Amino acid sequence: EVVVTQSPGTLSLSPGDRVTLSCRTSQSVSSDYLSWYQQKPGQAPRLLIYGTSNRATGIPDRFSGSGSGTDFILTISRLEPEDFAVYYCQQYGSSRLLTFGGGTKVEIK
Amino acid sequence: EVQLVQSGAGVKKPGSTVQISCKVSGYTFSDSYIHWVQQAPGQGLDWMGLVDPVDGETIFAEKFQDRVTITADTSRNTAYMEVRNLRSEDTAMYYCAIINGWTNYWGQGTLVTVSS
Repeated sequence: EVVVTQSPGTLSLSPGDRVTLSCRTSQSVSSDYLSWYQQKPGQAPRLLIYGTSNRATGIPDRFSGSGSGTDFILTISRLEPEDFAVYYCQQYGSSRLLTFGGGTKVEIK
Repeated sequence: EVQLVQSGAGVKKPGSTVQISCKVSGYTFSDSYIHWVQQAPGQGLDWMGLVDPVDGETIFAEKFQDRVTITADTSRNTAYMEVRNLRSEDTAMYYCAIINGWTNYWGQGTLVTVSS
């Protein structure tokens, strides 16, 4: 089973800041199957990025994803007030097992 | 519009069984696996398993394979997830979801509270 580790656990930032979130997998995964989600309190997760770098429908272009192998990054170029939330990366393996990272909380400083 | 509508919240006693339903509309039920995800209070997302609606095949995360059953009824466009022998640590929000690349839809979640 692939273990997905996100860092840091929490980020305290201000609106307008640039954000870089890290996601590391315990073994190399296909870039096609690495996604990022945003979750706000009381809501289901929302897909932001799929296939490492493709924005989901309706996602603003301040969100971008990159990476390969075992190291992946979600970047928010300029934090907006509505971006304060928890972010999860998720990998989907060839064995059809799916794994989420532990999440990174982006909070207001 | 694609909708995944889950059954309502409930309180269950330790040792009992809970079954949650997930009705899919606006989407061809057989086109994608249905996934189930657990989220304990204040915790992250924990993938439980999936069902292939075409043939009923299931795959589970190791943590959930002993007490969880997932099924799909194509005549009702509905998936079901059952947890047996409930424990306090099963208190959580449970989500069904279609997760397939850019195709990504989630139910509203079902809160299960395990309490005597």
